[in-house]
Amino acid sequence: KAGVTQTPRYLIKTRGQQVTLSCSPISGHRSVSWYQQTPGQGLQFLFEYFSETQRNKGNFPGRFSGRQFSNSRSEMNVSTLELGDSALYLCASSRTSGGTDTQYFGPGTRLTVL
Amino acid sequence: GDSVTQMEGPVTLSEEAFLTINCTYTATGYPSLFWYVQYPGEGLQLLLKATKADDKGSNKGFEATYRKETTSFHLEKGSVQVSDSAVYFCALSDLPGTASKLTFGTGTRLQVTL
Repeated sequence: KAGVTQTPRYLIKTRGQQVTLSCSPISGHRSVSWYQQTPGQGLQFLFEYFSETQRNKGNFPGRFSGRQFSNSRSEMNVSTLELGDSALYLCASSRTSGGTDTQYFGPGTRLTVL
Repeated sequence: GDSVTQMEGPVTLSEEAFLTINCTYTATGYPSLFWYVQYPGEGLQLLLKATKADDKGSNKGFEATYRKETTSFHLEKGSVQVSDSAVYFCALSDLPGTASKLTFGTGTRLQVTL
């Protein structure tokens, strides 16, 4: 079956702009999590959505937000972009939330902020 | 908060050598522990996991044992191959008994040569 897909794969924005990233989970998966990967901070958890509700949240400012649709697809939005937001943004899906189901990661969206 | 510490890389080994990548963690409860692998140009893949003390996770010749007394989850493989060259991430779940809200180590790059 198809894996987790993320669009776009690459994105270039300028400071102050906003950006929306999309993630389509594996069919049948209802939980979607987002992570930020940078050389300096490594992989950091942003938030998790399950059944259109945010279940868990990491320590990121309110400029980072997300949502999940009824078909389990998820979007992540970053407003007022800063240079430090340049990163690889990874999405992961799993069948459920709060269990031991494996998280399957997508290839990521590489965001560059100029 | 919870944290994961991995040995610094890169680790360079000859094919068929023995591999150990050290991982220790700090957590208030009893987290689930994971090893993920990221091959060049690809997303993260779950390599193995352990959900309680003394559990041994294994996959593709890799093993790791959940040691509560030493708060460690070291990754080992008896004979590495060139195809094992990748970045390896140790992770824990902040929500005990689950695979959600992962906290990752900084990653260890493994380079295997002929």
